[in-house]
Amino acid sequence: TQLLEQSPQFLSIQEGENLTVYCNSSSVFSSLQWYRQEPGEGPVLLVTVVTGGEVKKLKRLTFQFGDARKDSSLHITAAQPGDTGLYLCAGAINNQGGKLIFGQGTELSVKP
Amino acid sequence: NAGVTQTPKFQVLKTGQSMTLQCAQDMNHNSMYWYRQDPGMGLRLIYYSASEGTTDKGEVPNGYNVSRLNKREFSLRLESAAPSQTSVYFCASRLSGGGTQYFGPGTRLLVL
Repeated sequence: TQLLEQSPQFLSIQEGENLTVYCNSSSVFSSLQWYRQEPGEGPVLLVTVVTGGEVKKLKRLTFQFGDARKDSSLHITAAQPGDTGLYLCAGAINNQGGKLIFGQGTELSVKP
Repeated sequence: NAGVTQTPKFQVLKTGQSMTLQCAQDMNHNSMYWYRQDPGMGLRLIYYSASEGTTDKGEVPNGYNVSRLNKREFSLRLESAAPSQTSVYFCASRLSGGGTQYFGPGTRLLVL
């Protein structure tokens, strides 16, 4: 069974602080996706990283894929209350019909 | 485009009752997926359909059946609901070839 360990599970910070969320696995993924989910809604894709060592930036969010394509991180700079939500990482396995393995999720709360 | 739609939004069942969760997408996607989401466990794949006419088991298929009715529709059936099936169920679709998975808004199911 492939596992994707996501940490921390909960994070409560003040507005303006920085934070990093980690996803780690012993499996190699063909790509790694990060989703954000609001209460009562389905996950929405933020970014997909494909190449080992790849770094992508989305405004104040920086996503990195590990060199061996087994781990990834999401770093948020100067968090805002609007960043509050559930963040999920998901790894794709080659030749498996697009199946995704999801991490447990990180519940982020940014207080004003 | 409505994207991915799911019905019903909420459902309460008694143990042993049956029901079908409906999912439809209007994006002409080839692949469709059913996930369940439980606190602290991320999303777990129940069944998926890589293309019209095919279905395969995911990580947690026991107690469920699926039907890929046509390219647009993918239903999930609980033949005899159990309290352990209380969860939020998400349907997703993907064009194929590594494309993004798009999620529906979810069905919240409570089995008493």
